[in-house]
Amino acid sequence: EVHLVESGGGLVQPGGSLRLSCATSGFTFSNYWMHWVRQAPGKGLEWVANIKGDGSENYYVDSVRGRFTISRDNAKNSVYLQMNSLRAEDTGVYFCAGNWASGYWGQGTLVTVSS
Amino acid sequence: QTVVTQEPSLTVSPGGTVTLTCASSTGAVTSTYYPSWFQQKPGQAPRALIYSTNNKLSWTPARFSGSLLGGKGALTLSGVQPEDEAEYYCLLLSGGTWVFGGGTKLTVL
Repeated sequence: EVHLVESGGGLVQPGGSLRLSCATSGFTFSNYWMHWVRQAPGKGLEWVANIKGDGSENYYVDSVRGRFTISRDNAKNSVYLQMNSLRAEDTGVYFCAGNWASGYWGQGTLVTVSS
Repeated sequence: QTVVTQEPSLTVSPGGTVTLTCASSTGAVTSTYYPSWFQQKPGQAPRALIYSTNNKLSWTPARFSGSLLGGKGALTLSGVQPEDEAEYYCLLLSGGTWVFGGGTKLTVL
């Protein structure tokens, strides 16, 4: 059975940092692109970043480029999102997901950026 | 950055047929945009329904189908069920990054 479990969310002040983790099991992790998707309270989905199976490529939405870094550890079947210089508009639930054909999604972790 | 546009809301009767569309600000949506569709119900994570235009996941009911229609991505529900009431999001690949549409709230009434 496939599992994706996000962790690391919480309350942080503007300008602060957080590192999200997504631990996976039940599939050959290194074969999959992995994505982070977020959802602000009461709003729609926003794709944030992705990373290739071997970690050799990654892409970001313009609003986070230069502040967020996606990485992965294939030995630990985990993907990460380092978030720096956080802003109020980064508040939301952050989901990790496998490639779209897989249908693999986690349940999300809440990030709140507020003073 | 690319803007992806969906109908904000649609209403359909049980047993009816409805088509949701997905337009790109960059021009006609083609298969190279790899349109995907997701369903989200309140308090739940999104669930993928369609990827790469018209490919279903193992759990996607037969009444859901994806296509390209008039330069847009399209999701058609035929024989709508009450449990299909949800928010639906399309997703397009554009310039190496992915962009979600704003979502369509589908009401079954």
